[in-house]
Order: sequence, then C-alpha cells, then structure tokens
Amino acid sequence: KNQVEQSPQSLIILEGKNCTLQCNYTVSPFSNLRWYKQDTGRGPVSLTIMTFSENTKSNGRYTATLDADTKQSSLHITASQLSDSASYICVVRGSNYQLIWGAGTKLIIKP
Amino acid sequence: DTAVSQTPKYLVTQMGNDKSIKCEQNLGHDTMYWYKQDSKKFLKIMFSYNNKELIINETVPNRFSPKSPDKAHLNLHINSLELGDSAVYFCASSQRQGTSYEQYFGPGTRLTVT
Repeated sequence: KNQVEQSPQSLIILEGKNCTLQCNYTVSPFSNLRWYKQDTGRGPVSLTIMTFSENTKSNGRYTATLDADTKQSSLHITASQLSDSASYICVVRGSNYQLIWGAGTKLIIKP
Repeated sequence: DTAVSQTPKYLVTQMGNDKSIKCEQNLGHDTMYWYKQDSKKFLKIMFSYNNKELIINETVPNRFSPKSPDKAHLNLHINSLELGDSAVYFCASSQRQGTSYEQYFGPGTRLTVT
C-alpha cells in the first residue's frame, strides 16, 4: 500500500535552533517528492521538489535530502525563525497522477 | 493579486442543505483541483479539471459535483450535506495536467456541518 509517514508528529524548538523533519514512504514506482509548508489557516506552499536522481536541494534556510534506496527524505531547517511555525507536509508522486500526502509535522518555534 | 482564491473562507450549515464553494485562479493555468483536508490533516484529492474536462475523479460521493464555467474557475457543489463532510476544502491549480507541475493552493474553505 502506498503510504507516506512523517515524524515527529509535532515539534517545539527555540528560535534560532536547527531542526530536522523526517519522511518515510512506501510509494512505488517513485517519481518525485515534495515538501510543502502550510501556515495555519492557509493552503500549502511548495518548498522543494526532488526527483529520483537528486540527493540534496536547498531553498534558503530549508534543505531537503532524499535517499531513494531507503525511501527516506528529510527537511532540515537552519536558524529557525518565528515565521517557520507551520505544518510541513511531505508529498510523494506515485504512478499516473497519484500524489500521496503525509499527515505533516507541526512545528512550533518559541521565542 | 491573489493567485488562487476561494469563497467563502468559512461555511457553517445544517445537515441536508446544499452548498457551493467557489474557486478562481488568475495564473492562466490549464488544470484545477479540489482537495479535502480532514481532521487528521491528510489532503485527499477529490477532482481535477483540465480545460473543462474532468480527468481525475477519486471515490467521492456523487453528492459532490465540480462545475467549471471556464478555465479560470472550478466550483464545488455539495448536495445533502452530512456531518462527515465537515473539513477544510482546498482549491489548487497547476500550469498543465500531471503532478510534475507545481500546484498552487487557495486559502481553503472551512466547512462545518451541524
């Protein structure tokens, strides 16, 4: 069964600290993997998209990694800011037009 | 200017009623989508339209019907609302058909059925 699992479910860190969010998937065949940021009360916004051949991709303070062999991805946030408080969702594209969404990690940045 | 807009943002209604949610995109995209985000925060695709043609129709009840008057609009009409329909509904659009293209999401409509 195609699934995307994210951990932790929620995370609280202090402003300025780094953190890493995890995404494990069982989607096959694999086409690409995206990380979205969803602010409370807003729609998801794409942060990165990674294909099979990409291991690392950065977008400002966000760095995503992908290990297609172990079917794992991570999103590393450097020097966190209060505005990083949001849910981060991992989405994997499977066959045809299928997108498999994870439940997200709720990140809270405290001053 | 807002790229993908939805109205209303909040909708509270009683069981059995019929309601519509409107969506408009000004990005010139060919494809639009409707998603449902349940209480567990999973987003599940409901429909997508490409140039007025329905191309994905997941296993949603036929009480839900998408209507696209033109390429820039995809409205969601729901008949005989049930308690389980309570959720946040997101509209999205992408340049073309296919999930390789980035999807841009609207702000969501929180539907509460009492």
